[in-house]
Amino acid sequence: AQTVTQSQPEMSVQEAETVTLSCTYDTSENNYYLFWYKQPPSRQMILVIRQEAYKQQNATENRFSVNFQKAAKSFSLKISDSQLGDTAMYFCAFMNPRGGTSYGKLTFGQGTILTVHP
Amino acid sequence: NAGVTQTPKFRILKIGQSMTLQCTQDMNHNYMYWYRQDPGMGLKLIYYSVGAGITDKGEVPNGYNVSRSTTEDFPLRLELAAPSQTSVYFCASSSALHTDTQYFGPGTRLTVL
Repeated sequence: AQTVTQSQPEMSVQEAETVTLSCTYDTSENNYYLFWYKQPPSRQMILVIRQEAYKQQNATENRFSVNFQKAAKSFSLKISDSQLGDTAMYFCAFMNPRGGTSYGKLTFGQGTILTVHP
Repeated sequence: NAGVTQTPKFRILKIGQSMTLQCTQDMNHNYMYWYRQDPGMGLKLIYYSVGAGITDKGEVPNGYNVSRSTTEDFPLRLELAAPSQTSVYFCASSSALHTDTQYFGPGTRLTVL
């Protein structure tokens, strides 16, 4: 079974600075997807970024980028130029998209609460 | 598009009562999911469906039932509510054809007293 670990329960950053959230996972699969979801106080789960394991290039979405280290099973999220609206709980998630009992199902980490200070 | 919608947004139940959480998506997605999120925790999968008429258990299915009679709707039924079912419930959907990204509804906060 896959597991996802976020070792930072809480992080804080000053507005306009950069912060990195950590995520590690454990799997025996070779092809899979990794995601970062954001959950603001409104509770809505919002997709931030996704990475396909077969792609070596790190995914980027505007101010959000990942550092995907497949051999180390590490998937960190970097937020540049932090904004007050980035304050939220951030979840790392793993999906095995092909076959097996975990097919198409997301496994979530415990989450990291990020607070952006003015 | 409305995306994934859930009703109700909030509900308080007494122990032993039953209720149905509604979930509807208008994206013609084949895959639908129910998750629960306990305080300070990540989401855990309750049930999922790969298409109309097909459902299967996730990690924490006990105390719940689902049905999928149409592509759009995926209701979650709680029978004999217990305090351990106090949680926030999220419905999600994804397309098996084009992308594996899951899109979430706004959640239902359920309290069982």
